[in-house]
Amino acid sequence: TQLLEQSPQFLSIQEGENLTVYCNSSSVFSSLQWYRQEPGEGPVLLVTVVTGGEVKKLKRLTFQFGDARKDSSLHITAAQPGDTGLYLCAGALLDYGGSQGNLIFGKGTKLSVKP
Amino acid sequence: DAGITQSPRHKVTETGTPVTLRCHQTENHRYMYWYRQDPGHGLRLIHYSYGVKDTDKGEVSDGYSVSRSKTEDFLLTLESATSSQTSVYFCAISESRGTHLAKNIQYFGAGTRLSVL
Repeated sequence: TQLLEQSPQFLSIQEGENLTVYCNSSSVFSSLQWYRQEPGEGPVLLVTVVTGGEVKKLKRLTFQFGDARKDSSLHITAAQPGDTGLYLCAGALLDYGGSQGNLIFGKGTKLSVKP
Repeated sequence: DAGITQSPRHKVTETGTPVTLRCHQTENHRYMYWYRQDPGHGLRLIHYSYGVKDTDKGEVSDGYSVSRSKTEDFLLTLESATSSQTSVYFCAISESRGTHLAKNIQYFGAGTRLSVL
């Protein structure tokens, strides 16, 4: 069962363009995280959001947590080739039986930024 | 970088053979996790541990077992490897789980690429 829908799955853009990645769910999360993964490596945490409506900025990356804590978005302004990688969202479910608190991952967005 | 070491980094084995993957941490974090990552499926939780000798099943636990005899080590065992277990396996650690009081911030190892022929 896919509890966290991430879109788009693939994104190929030119340097300088803007892009947005979305994560949506019908479930409520106590927190939501965004990770970035490069080939041959493990995911690396970019940001954690915990409050509904929260917006966090990390240089050219803007992360937003939905008011109801069910969805999130990642916006990249003026993308650069160094932004290329796999972006993963992950939510900690408030109510998932015995697995409460474990992270549920989206399937990822593979971003390619061409010079 | 979080002190997480996975070994081996690459392994090729034959169907029916037992395989053990090791995750070693130097952060003294309480929680440890094993995930597998497959195209089209993302990261899926296999097993996790919330302390020494305390483990529980994740989403895709069939065919896998784990053990944690020390805080720093978490072993994943495939009792009889099958081709469907060909995957990249990641270990992760966290200080806390995701509750209304705490964030489940996980740090990942570099992964083990396993091929079962």
